[in-house]
Amino acid sequence: AQKITQTQPGMFVQEKEAVTLDCTYDTSDPSYGLFWYKQPSSGEMIFLIYQGSYDQQNATEGRYSLNFQKARKSANLVISASQLGDSAMYFCAMREDLSGTYKYIFGTGTRLKVLA
Amino acid sequence: DAGVTQSPTHLIKTRGQHVTLRCSPISGHKSVSWYQQVLGQGPQFIFQYYEKEERGRGNFPDRFSARQFPNYSSELNVNALLLGDSALYLCASSLAGLAGGYTDTQYFGPGTRLTVL
Repeated sequence: AQKITQTQPGMFVQEKEAVTLDCTYDTSDPSYGLFWYKQPSSGEMIFLIYQGSYDQQNATEGRYSLNFQKARKSANLVISASQLGDSAMYFCAMREDLSGTYKYIFGTGTRLKVLA
Repeated sequence: DAGVTQSPTHLIKTRGQHVTLRCSPISGHKSVSWYQQVLGQGPQFIFQYYEKEERGRGNFPDRFSARQFPNYSSELNVNALLLGDSALYLCASSLAGLAGGYTDTQYFGPGTRLTVL
């Protein structure tokens, strides 16, 4: 069975600094997709970034980048120039194919607090 | 463009009652998935519907059911509510489900927070 592990329950970062949120995954499938979502206190899950298993380059979206190390099975999220609005829960997710469809498997999340 | 919308935003029910949660996907999206998020945990997959057919089901009892309408909106129904059903219920839509390949991204709504007393 596929699995997502986020080992940092909480992180602090100073405003304008960079922070790395860890995510490791376990799968035997050669093809897979990895996603990061942000969940503010309002509850909505906001899509941040996607990395495919065959992508040659690390994904980037604005201040977000994904440090993808396939051999280590890690997909860490890097947020550069942290802002106060980045304070939220962050979830790493992996797509798992089912018969005829797919689902996302989520980690337990990391709560990020940006300090002024 | 409007994102995924869900109603109601909050709901309080008592044990044994029935509840219906509603979701409207992003325009053009044909796939809707439902997730349950208990406090302090990541979302857990309940159902996925694509083109009005159930395509996937997570490890939830038969008290949970869902359907998708011709306009691709969806309802999640939970019967005989238990205290443990208290959670944030998230709906996610995507363009094409499995047919969209590994880049098919799920976009989530704001959720419905259900409290069972």
